[in-house]
Amino acid sequence: GQQLNQSPQSMFIQEGEDVSMNCTSSSIFNTWLWYKQDPGEGPVLLIALYKAGELTSNGRLTAQFGITRKDSFLNISASIPSDVGIYFCAGHQGNYGGSQGNLIFGKGTKLSVKP
Amino acid sequence: DSGVTQTPKHLITATGQRVTLRCSPRSGDLSVYWYQQSLDQGLQFLIHYYNGEERAKGNILERFSAQQFPDLHSELNLSSLELGDSALYFCASSVGGTLGNTEAFFGQGTRLTVV
Repeated sequence: GQQLNQSPQSMFIQEGEDVSMNCTSSSIFNTWLWYKQDPGEGPVLLIALYKAGELTSNGRLTAQFGITRKDSFLNISASIPSDVGIYFCAGHQGNYGGSQGNLIFGKGTKLSVKP
Repeated sequence: DSGVTQTPKHLITATGQRVTLRCSPRSGDLSVYWYQQSLDQGLQFLIHYYNGEERAKGNILERFSAQQFPDLHSELNLSSLELGDSALYFCASSVGGTLGNTEAFFGQGTRLTVV
């Protein structure tokens, strides 16, 4: 099946640092979504992208839908301790608005605080 | 609170048994997705229903089945359970139907432990 390659797998952050992660695929997607998951909780939607080239911000988070429609990145600026968690990208290939097709996820990027 | 309700929150059962996990989507959402998340793993897409019809299947075992009822709630049935089926099971819902409505919101998950 389709796969999303998310990198890096993990990273350590120091408060105040900017963080960058990305997701790539060999297939084209119509929608890119970014989620954050805390331990034992369900993923929480951070940003949704619907158009190639779209750049969207949500507070300190910025995400972009790649021009080729095969990639997306998420940036977190001026990280704070509560940014720790696992970030997932997700892509949807289906027809309009997801009445069919699946929503597949990358394997996640685990953000931890530098010791 | 995402508005997606999953029950039960925790389930412990023996190998060979059958269980049913339930999901109530957000009010107005027609799409329901089911995912399996094993320890330290990403979200594996199982199945997608839209307005009562199956629309996409992922890596769902034959021992697993799902359905979406006229009131749009969904159930995931897991039978002949094995130790390896122990995982978090999430459902997510989205409006679906038109472009721009693939933002999926997750429930808190059901933690299944097979002993």
